[in-house]
Amino acid sequence: TQLLEQSPQFLSIQEGENLTVYCNSSSVFSSLQWYRQEPGEGPVLLVTVVTGGEVKKLKRLTFQFGDARKDSSLHITAAQPGDTGLYLCAGRVADSWGKLQFGAGTQVVVTP
Amino acid sequence: SAVISQKPSRDICQRGTSLTIQCQVDSQVTMMFWYRQQPGQSLTLIATANQGSEATYESGFVIDKFPISRPNLTFSTLTVSNLSPEDSSIYLCSVPDRGLEKLFFGSGTQLSVL
Repeated sequence: TQLLEQSPQFLSIQEGENLTVYCNSSSVFSSLQWYRQEPGEGPVLLVTVVTGGEVKKLKRLTFQFGDARKDSSLHITAAQPGDTGLYLCAGRVADSWGKLQFGAGTQVVVTP
Repeated sequence: SAVISQKPSRDICQRGTSLTIQCQVDSQVTMMFWYRQQPGQSLTLIATANQGSEATYESGFVIDKFPISRPNLTFSTLTVSNLSPEDSSIYLCSVPDRGLEKLFFGSGTQLSVL
């Protein structure tokens, strides 16, 4: 059973365009993380959101945690080729120390 | 942060053989995790490698198929035994930070089984 559903599975855009990736669940998470993975590398943490309704910005990336802490979104403004990668959301269920539930990821390709 | 060295980075193996993957961390860590990443599917936790005790396996994964060693606080191995094409995947080792808030990953092992 996959607790976290990510959409879309694949996204191809031109440099300078905006994009949004979604992460949805029927479960409540104590926190949610976004990772980016490049080919031949392991995932690297981008951000952790903890509070329902929380919005965090990392340069051109904006992360939002849903009010009910069941969903999250990642918005990239003016995408660049360096944003290309597999974006993974991961949620931590309360009392599951160290263990994360991962979504299947959204493959983002930004072409010059 | 933790620096994780994982090897091999990739391998092609014959059906019925085994592959052992090594994971070396630059600091002592209590827990090490082994994940499988299949195309189009989420990262799936295989097991938690505990130093000084048996690994803890997740549902659907068994020790006979995925034996794990953890001889010290900086090193672990995962063996994928009796390989079949369905085992073709990326395998990742991971360690949490001190606060168990985030994970650091190795660069992964791309396994292809013929």
